[in-house]
This record gives sequence, C-alpha cells and structure tokens, in this order.
Amino acid sequence: AQSVTQPDIHITVSEGASLELRCNYSYGATPYLFWYVQSPGQGLQLLLKYFSGDTLVQGIKGFEAEFKRSQSSFNLRKPSVHWSDAAEYFCAVGAGGFQKLVFGTGTRLLVSP
Amino acid sequence: SAVISQKPSRDICQRGTSLTIQCQVDSQVTMMFWYRQQPGQSLTLIATANQGSEATYESGFVIDKFPISRPNLTFSTLTVSNMSPEDSSIYLCSVAEGTGGETQYFGPGTRLLVL
Repeated sequence: AQSVTQPDIHITVSEGASLELRCNYSYGATPYLFWYVQSPGQGLQLLLKYFSGDTLVQGIKGFEAEFKRSQSSFNLRKPSVHWSDAAEYFCAVGAGGFQKLVFGTGTRLLVSP
Repeated sequence: SAVISQKPSRDICQRGTSLTIQCQVDSQVTMMFWYRQQPGQSLTLIATANQGSEATYESGFVIDKFPISRPNLTFSTLTVSNMSPEDSSIYLCSVAEGTGGETQYFGPGTRLLVL
C-alpha cells in the first residue's frame, strides 16, 4: 500500500529565503507524485506533478520538485519565498489510472517578515 | 483543468440531521472522488463515484452514513447522514483528469460544523 511521510509539521522561513519541504513515499511500483497547496479557507491547488522523465519538475508559483528514486523522496523547493506562500502543503502519491491519492499529513509554512 | 464548484461552501448543523453537499464540474469527467479533511488533519478518501454505477467506499466509510449520487458526468452529491460533532470536517470533491485519469483537481471544499 502506498504511504507518504512529511516529517516537518511546521516550517518557518524568512521572506526572501529559500525553502525546501520534505516528502518521502512508499510505493512498490513507479509512483505518480504530486504537491498541492491549501491556503487558509481554500481548497487544494495543484502545484506540480511527476510521472516519469526528467526528475526535476517545474510547477506554478516558482516551485520545483526533484524526484529521487534511490531516496524515495520528492522534495519541494522554492528559491525565494514570498509572504503569500504561507499555507499548508501536501505531498501525495497515486497509482495512476483513476486511482485514489494518498496524502501526507501536510507541512504548514509560516513566512516571517 | 476542470472548474469545480461545491455547495454549500460552509454550514453549521445540529447533531442528528443530514446535509447534502453538491459538486458541479464544468466539463464531463469519468471519475469523481470525495475526501474528508478533519480539523488539523490530512485528506482521507471517502469514496470514488463513477457515473452510472454504485460508489466504491474506502474502509471505514459506509453507504448508510455517506450516500453518494452520480446522476451524470458533471455532477455528484455526498450526504452526511445522522451527523455528530465528529463529522465536523472539510469535505472536498475532486475529479480525475489526464489521459489516464492520473491527475486530480479539487473543488474549494465544504466546511461543516456539527453542534
């Protein structure tokens, strides 16, 4: 069965600083990996996804993520954080083909001035 | 991606009552999903709704508590029945898109508080 671990519950980053959010997954086959963001009072917005090919994927809002099969990781990065990036970030893994997503517990990002 | 709307956006209900949540999509989609997000928690799949067939429920969720309808390819409803305070959550619908249905896009959610 698939599982996702996001080891950091909260992270505080200064505005303008770089950001890395960690995600480790467990899945027996080639995973379909996703990062979603949930702003306060909002639904989930897809930031980026990885299915195959280039292991560094670019997403919206300046985010990128790198798939590392050897480490079973799919960490999310941003070179310079803006105050509007403060939100909850969820990593998810799927099996493709109209199958359900399994979500991590989320990382809450706080941005300090 | 599809544009997804949900009604109501939020509600406060009394225990013992039922609430039906609507999910409307602006294009035809094969598969729709209903998730629950309990306060401070991650998302958990309740059921998968395919048009023209019975919904498929995940372990721990039953049809009597969470009946789902999927009358056409653009619409679905989730009912939360005989509510208790433990049902206070955000309920989100999503749709599967892409060639193989591998990507899910989510609605804005329905925030439910049960007193």
